[in-house]
Amino acid sequence: SQQGEEDPQALSIQEGENATMNCSYKTSINNLQWYRQNSGRGLVHLILIRSNEREKHSGRLRVTLDTSKKSSSLLITASRAADTASYFCATDKTGTYKYIFGTGTRLKVLA
Amino acid sequence: NAGVTQTPKFQVLKTGQSMTLQCAQDMNHEYMSWYRQDPGMGLRLIHYSVGAGITDQGEVPNGYNVSRSTTEDFPLRLLSAAPSQTSVYFCASSPRGLGGGRTDTQYFGPGTRLTVL
Repeated sequence: SQQGEEDPQALSIQEGENATMNCSYKTSINNLQWYRQNSGRGLVHLILIRSNEREKHSGRLRVTLDTSKKSSSLLITASRAADTASYFCATDKTGTYKYIFGTGTRLKVLA
Repeated sequence: NAGVTQTPKFQVLKTGQSMTLQCAQDMNHEYMSWYRQDPGMGLRLIHYSVGAGITDQGEVPNGYNVSRSTTEDFPLRLLSAAPSQTSVYFCASSPRGLGGGRTDTQYFGPGTRLTVL
């Protein structure tokens, strides 16, 4: 079963708006990562947050991690049409080298 | 650096045929892995390796074999292709692995689109 589950499954917003997507997971982790995938292409790493961190920023991206709730959120501010993609969270279960991906959020940014 | 490369980009097989998907990285990464992605779904881990000579199973290993004789290469073998193995296959590498403790950022290849008839 998937370790991570993203919510919502799909999101459609206007350019300039903020997009928020959430990820829940089931076990203790070392870190949580967010990836972007443009249609039919490989995944691109966006940001990594470690289990002892609560918030991290990278450009227009803001990631939060709540280990007590086993959840994370990805905020994209001032979205652009080029942000249209699928976004996945990935976690590595403590004590293993296995990355487990969620099912993804499909984001569509309308110009 | 070429990063992570995968060949072929596309492949069509008949049921029962075998083939090897190639994956190579030139970043001296210890950790490498194979995933499959089915339509509308996330990636599922097939096999992974934490260093040359060491491999282990992921979530969906049945029907696939791997080996890791060098740091650079991590081929995935389909023993007897089945229609259920129609998917897009991604290889990834990461700098963490043997002795590195925690896992780290993964770098993905462009994928191999496999169809089994």
